[in-house]
Amino acid sequence: EPEVTQTPSHQVTQMGQEVILRCVPISNHLYFYWYRQILGQKVEFLVSFYNNEISEKSEIFDDQFSVERPDGSNFTLKIRSTKLEDSAMYFCASSVFGTGGEKLFFGSGTQLSVL
Amino acid sequence: TQLLEQSPQFLSIQEGENLTVYCNSSSVFSSLQWYRQEPGEGPVLLVTVVTGGEVKKLKRLTFQFGDARKDSSLHITAAQPGDTGLYLCAGDDTDKLIFGTGTRLQVFP
Repeated sequence: EPEVTQTPSHQVTQMGQEVILRCVPISNHLYFYWYRQILGQKVEFLVSFYNNEISEKSEIFDDQFSVERPDGSNFTLKIRSTKLEDSAMYFCASSVFGTGGEKLFFGSGTQLSVL
Repeated sequence: TQLLEQSPQFLSIQEGENLTVYCNSSSVFSSLQWYRQEPGEGPVLLVTVVTGGEVKKLKRLTFQFGDARKDSSLHITAAQPGDTGLYLCAGDDTDKLIFGTGTRLQVFP
């Protein structure tokens, strides 16, 4: 079965530093998502992306966050100035037709630790 | 904000026992999905239920969507150690999934 690939698997950074989390969605998928999961808490929606623009974002996704699909294959999440509370597992997901009963394929995640 | 509450939060059982996990909301969802997540991995879709009252079976797992499409349940018959994991329900909210609080299942041999 095709996979969503995320790199790196672990990222350690100092507070205030910029980080870029990378994802390669499944090739024929059109909808892309970032979710995060703080240790011991539920999976939280950050942003959805379709047709080269953000279709929806949560309250968590403030001005420090941005997403980009720079080259038609990669999908990145940038955090400009990381905070301690940004420490979490970040999951990228993709689907063919969005939600609405469609299957979302999740990557294995990037564990971000902000020190 | 739509919320999905799962119960129980933790469940430890012996191999061979049956169990039910509940997913409840005050909101109506057009569809609801169940995922299973293992440590260090992303959630993996188990099933999608769409119609109120729908029942779907996946081997020893039975999923039900409430008539009002506000709640769902997952029943596992004769649990096995391989069923151990975090079970998540997720409701479809237009362009995103709203995930439930999760049920962590441990099945002991």
